Amino acid sequence: AQSVTQPDIHITVSEGASLELRCNYSYGATPYLFWYVQSPGQGLQLLLKYFSGDTLVQGIKGFEAEFKRSQSSFNLRKPSVHWSDAAEYFCAVGRTSNTGNQFYFGTGTSLTVIP
Amino acid sequence: DAMVIQNPRYQVTQFGKPVTLSCSQTLNHNVMYWYQQKSSQAPKLLFHYYDKDFNNEADTPDNFQSRRPNTSFCFLDIRSPGLGDAAMYLCATSRDRRAGGPYNEQFFGPGTRLTVL
Repeated sequence: AQSVTQPDIHITVSEGASLELRCNYSYGATPYLFWYVQSPGQGLQLLLKYFSGDTLVQGIKGFEAEFKRSQSSFNLRKPSVHWSDAAEYFCAVGRTSNTGNQFYFGTGTSLTVIP
Repeated sequence: DAMVIQNPRYQVTQFGKPVTLSCSQTLNHNVMYWYQQKSSQAPKLLFHYYDKDFNNEADTPDNFQSRRPNTSFCFLDIRSPGLGDAAMYLCATSRDRRAGGPYNEQFFGPGTRLTVL
């Protein structure tokens, strides 16, 4: 069965510091992997996605993620965090079927940025 | 800009009083999803429509129903809301793989925050 684990429920970083959010997945086939960000009271915005090819993917807002098949991981990184990055971050694995694209979300990581 | 729109953004209802949440999209996607997201939790898929075909998740309570009168609109009906149904409800869309393009990702609306008194 498909599953996604985000081991860190909450992370606090200082503004300007680097960030890494962890994501591990369990999936039998080639995964489609996503990172979404959710600001308080808002919907989910796609940061980046991995389907195939280069294992280091670039996203919006200066984020990147690296797919490591051997570790079943898709960690999100940002070299320098801005106060506006404070939000909830969700990793998801997608499974495309004949009836659509089912997403399996991790439980999320809440990011606090301190001045 | 093409987008997913949800109305209202905030909905207050009374215990047991039926409520309908609405979602519309200008992306012309043929798949539409409804998620329930409770505080500090991941979105939980309730059901989705593939064109007009309704696909219910096994653990979605019967209290939740959905309608999709056309490609652009989809409604979530809660027949008898309980206190436990207070949550954010997210609508999302995706393309059919046959349409080509980035069919694997889902596009989310801003959500409707439901309060049950």
